[in-house]
Amino acid sequence: QKEVEQNSGPLSVPEGAIASLNCTYSDRVSQSFFWYRQYSGKSPELIMSIYSNGDKEDGRFTAQLNKASQYVSLLIRDSQPSDSATYLCAVRGDSWGKLQFGAGTQVVVTP
Amino acid sequence: SAVISQKPSRDICQRGTSLTIQCQVDSQVTMMFWYRQQPGQSLTLIATANQGSEATYESGFVIDKFPISRPNLTFSTLTVSNMSPEDSSIYLCSADSGSNEKLFFGSGTQLSVL
Repeated sequence: QKEVEQNSGPLSVPEGAIASLNCTYSDRVSQSFFWYRQYSGKSPELIMSIYSNGDKEDGRFTAQLNKASQYVSLLIRDSQPSDSATYLCAVRGDSWGKLQFGAGTQVVVTP
Repeated sequence: SAVISQKPSRDICQRGTSLTIQCQVDSQVTMMFWYRQQPGQSLTLIATANQGSEATYESGFVIDKFPISRPNLTFSTLTVSNMSPEDSSIYLCSADSGSNEKLFFGSGTQLSVL
């Protein structure tokens, strides 16, 4: 059973601080990794993708990938109340197109 | 990114009836997928909708319960058949945006079965 694991949270973060979200996956052949943000009652919105080891930055978001440790993370800098949402880690393995999702981490940014 | 329109956005249905959900993409896409998200849970893939052939179903999902059509490269439907309260969920269609492999979602259908 291929699995994607995330801490469910909630992760409480003061406004302006860094939120750090973690995700581990079991399928060693996984090649593509994604972070989605999902507001309550809304559909998931893609915020980051990463394909190779290292860091990838996009605005206030940084994705980090370590394939040897089967670990992907998301950092949110200068957290804002609008960042309060559930963040889903998704992994694509050996089947083109199909994503395996983690359970999601709920982030709550407090003013 | 692909823009995906999904309808209906929500529905309340009686046990034993069927509901068809439609998904329209604003550009041709190779792969379309149907997911289910039960309350407080993450996304579970139901099936991959293939153009010109039968859908590919994941373990635990069968064609008789969730028939899928994919008549062309921009459109797909999912039918939830013979519904029971356990089918109450959010159903999401998704499509890849092309060669960059990114998956985008429709706005979802919130289904409640009484």
